[in-house]
Amino acid sequence: SQKIEQNSEALNIQEGKTATLTCNYTNYSPAYLQWYRQDPGRGPVFLLLIRENEKEKRKERLKVTFDTTLKQSLFHITASQPADSATYLCASPPDNYGQNFVFGPGTRLSVLP
Amino acid sequence: SQTIHQWPATLVQPVGSPLSLECTVEGTSNPNLYWYRQAAGRGLQLLFYSVGIGQISSEVPQNLSASRPQDRQFILSSKKLLLSDSGFYLCAWSLTGMSGTYEQYFGPGTRLTVT
Repeated sequence: SQKIEQNSEALNIQEGKTATLTCNYTNYSPAYLQWYRQDPGRGPVFLLLIRENEKEKRKERLKVTFDTTLKQSLFHITASQPADSATYLCASPPDNYGQNFVFGPGTRLSVLP
Repeated sequence: SQTIHQWPATLVQPVGSPLSLECTVEGTSNPNLYWYRQAAGRGLQLLFYSVGIGQISSEVPQNLSASRPQDRQFILSSKKLLLSDSGFYLCAWSLTGMSGTYEQYFGPGTRLTVT
């Protein structure tokens, strides 16, 4: 069955550094991947979507890449700030144009001042 | 603009009691609607999704059910709660376009504790 893995349950980095989070998928080829941010006790908030024919997408200090050969997406936060501390989730439809979603377990990022 | 409402925000229910959680969306038409559960420290588990009134797809066999009586209303129910039903329940909506289904927008969630 389709599976999404995020290789780090938790990641601690120093303020000002670049945080890099990884999302790997197996047993399928999603048409796109999405990244969400979730704060404790809140619902996830959509950040970025990247399609399979896009290598890279940027939004302010955020950058997402999609490597269909490695079956992997990388999520970068440059010049990280303590306010970036949260859990970050990747998600995708289980097949092309599927209307349900598979979410990864998330990576809890802590940016230390 | 679109908004999504969920209630109640928190709920404590005894084992064996019924459950009804409601979700409504404003400002859009014919959205896809979703119910997720998130156990403490865990990822999101899709429970049900709906692409239209009366159309419900179940992802996980369980003692929960869902209904969509109106275009922008999604209800999660149970006749008898189990301890394992405790968790954070999230409702979400999204739209489907020419290039597939787009990002999801989540409600504030309901924290359910079954005692």
